[in-house]
Amino acid sequence: AQKVTQAQTEISVVEKEDVTLDCVYETRDTTYYLFWYKQPPSGELVFLIRRNSFDEQNEISGRYSWNFQKSTSSFNFTITASQVVDSAVYFCALISGTYKYIFGTGTRLKVLA
Amino acid sequence: NAGVTQTPKFRVLKTGQSMTLLCAQDMNHEYMYWYRQDPGMGLRLIHYSVGEGTTAKGEVPDGYNVSRLKKQNFLLGLESAAPSQTSVYFCASSSQGLPYEQYFGPGTRLTVT
Repeated sequence: AQKVTQAQTEISVVEKEDVTLDCVYETRDTTYYLFWYKQPPSGELVFLIRRNSFDEQNEISGRYSWNFQKSTSSFNFTITASQVVDSAVYFCALISGTYKYIFGTGTRLKVLA
Repeated sequence: NAGVTQTPKFRVLKTGQSMTLLCAQDMNHEYMYWYRQDPGMGLRLIHYSVGEGTTAKGEVPDGYNVSRLKKQNFLLGLESAAPSQTSVYFCASSSQGLPYEQYFGPGTRLTVT
């Protein structure tokens, strides 16, 4: 079975703190893709990153970084020096041998000024 | 470009009423999707379309119908609304099929009483 688990329902941090959002996935396929989406208060989901199962290289984009570890089936997302504008719900998702995304339940991040 | 737009933004229906949600995209994307988002359940795929004139069932299609008469529009219909269909509905589009990123609309909040 394919599954994405985001165990952190809600996280609150103070501005400028670093924060890591956890994502654990399950799949038996050797080829799969992992995503992170951001859902700001305005509602629409915004694509952040896609990673395929053959590329375990970590990625950094400004204050955002992603750590993909196949050994632990995790694809964690870190925001460095968080800002109030980072407040949103973040979804991790998996595509694995099917026609659809399998979304996690999301982590609500609150960054306090 | 407006991207993906959804009409209406909010709607309240009584049980048994019908309605149609409209999704429009101006990116010339072939693929379009309808999701529902429920608390604690992430996003679940209702129906999708791989091109004009085509539709297919997703994960939770019961109680919904769709049509893709024009490439830029994807309609989601509820023939006889039920309280279980209270949810936030998101439309998305992509230039290619999975595993490419999708572009989401702002959502429609539907309440069925």
